[in-house]
Amino acid sequence: DAGVTQSPTHLIKTRGQQVTLRCSPKSGHDTVSWYQQALGQGPQFIFQYYEEEERQRGNFPDRFSGHQFPNYSSELNVNALLLGDSALYLCASHTLRQGPPYEQYFGPGTRLTVT
Amino acid sequence: KQEVTQIPAALSVPEGENLVLNCSFTDSAIYNLQWFRQDPGKGLTSLLLIQSSQREQTSGRLNASLDKSSGRSTLYIAASQPGDSATYLCARDNYGQNFVFGPGTRLSVLP
Repeated sequence: DAGVTQSPTHLIKTRGQQVTLRCSPKSGHDTVSWYQQALGQGPQFIFQYYEEEERQRGNFPDRFSGHQFPNYSSELNVNALLLGDSALYLCASHTLRQGPPYEQYFGPGTRLTVT
Repeated sequence: KQEVTQIPAALSVPEGENLVLNCSFTDSAIYNLQWFRQDPGKGLTSLLLIQSSQREQTSGRLNASLDKSSGRSTLYIAASQPGDSATYLCARDNYGQNFVFGPGTRLSVLP
């Protein structure tokens, strides 16, 4: 049973560029959440997708956008990259079909470095 | 605003010691509290999930308790081993959906 997978593992971009990160949820899961984790801090919630719609959003600017595909996989897009966007980006999945508790499973993350 | 704090920020202990990590949160209206382990530069591994109707959960040498009335959770690690060295994060759910994380406790277990 494959867990949550993310690609790429590492990424280096220049300020002002755009980046796309990808996530495949754990088998049987229909909901994907994205988190940003700066060095030495806990993860911060970016947004969550369910049924191809953004259903919740944290305190992140519109430069952060996402998408969910019919197979439940998801993309995180960040436009106009800033140095402060350098972080570990984590994807988590769970299912809403079975009701609470909504135990989330995390992927290994994508390390983004903006120079 | 929901907040989660963790103390201590860092902890270094000799192998074999029992230890307690603390997590405090605001707003007792939670569904779940989950403890995670994170190795350097890696993703999160779920250790224990405590539902709001539960008081504690146990897995091997780990025991987590939840006191909603005081807004506290503790993670107890028995007979610590060098392989336990990692950052431990607690997270409370946000109305059963996404999680609000604490900053973590960085644990070093010395052989």
